[in-house]
Amino acid sequence: GIQVEQSPPDLILQEGANSTLRCNFSDSVNNLQWFHQNPWGQLINLFYIPSGTKQNRRLSATTVATERYSLLYISSSQTTDSGVYFCAVGDNRKLIWGLGTSLAVNP
Amino acid sequence: EPEVTQTPSHQVTQMGQEVILRCVPISNHLYFYWYRQILGQKVEFLVSFYNNEISEKSEIFDDQFSVERPDGSNFTLKIRSTKLEDSAMYFCASGRDSQETQYFGPGTRLLVL
Repeated sequence: GIQVEQSPPDLILQEGANSTLRCNFSDSVNNLQWFHQNPWGQLINLFYIPSGTKQNRRLSATTVATERYSLLYISSSQTTDSGVYFCAVGDNRKLIWGLGTSLAVNP
Repeated sequence: EPEVTQTPSHQVTQMGQEVILRCVPISNHLYFYWYRQILGQKVEFLVSFYNNEISEKSEIFDDQFSVERPDGSNFTLKIRSTKLEDSAMYFCASGRDSQETQYFGPGTRLLVL
């Protein structure tokens, strides 16, 4: 099956810093989503991005499908950005998830 | 904006008991999913459901699990005889198409004692 690897596993930032999270996947996919899991455990949809680039306020994502990776950029980080960021890729009718990047943003 | 809803938000049960987790997907969606996340681990796929039948299921989804869409709005996951290792957060998701965005509910945190 498809393997999904995320890096780094953990990240600590000072408020205001920028960061890049990476997701590598082992095969071509028909879906790729980025999620933020907040401290209450809820999964917040960030991007649906099987290819190309999208931006939403301080977040942007780029997926290079031919090279099997996706990047999530967080700019001017805030303490509310803390949590776990998951990449999930589509394998037929299911999402395969990475282990996530645990982000802590300190004031 | 339409949302996927799940009830209950938390459930505590005794080992061996049956539990039913309920989900109301977004109304015009046709594809429905259950995932689970054991504490501190990654999210795992359980089952997908389309056109009133299971379209795919994982190894985790054994005979103790079943899904049902009893009416036009609800989508349920039943665990017949819970085990300690079933303790997890269970997420329901829905989508218009199998290759489009899956929208997730807030989850049900299940604790089996």
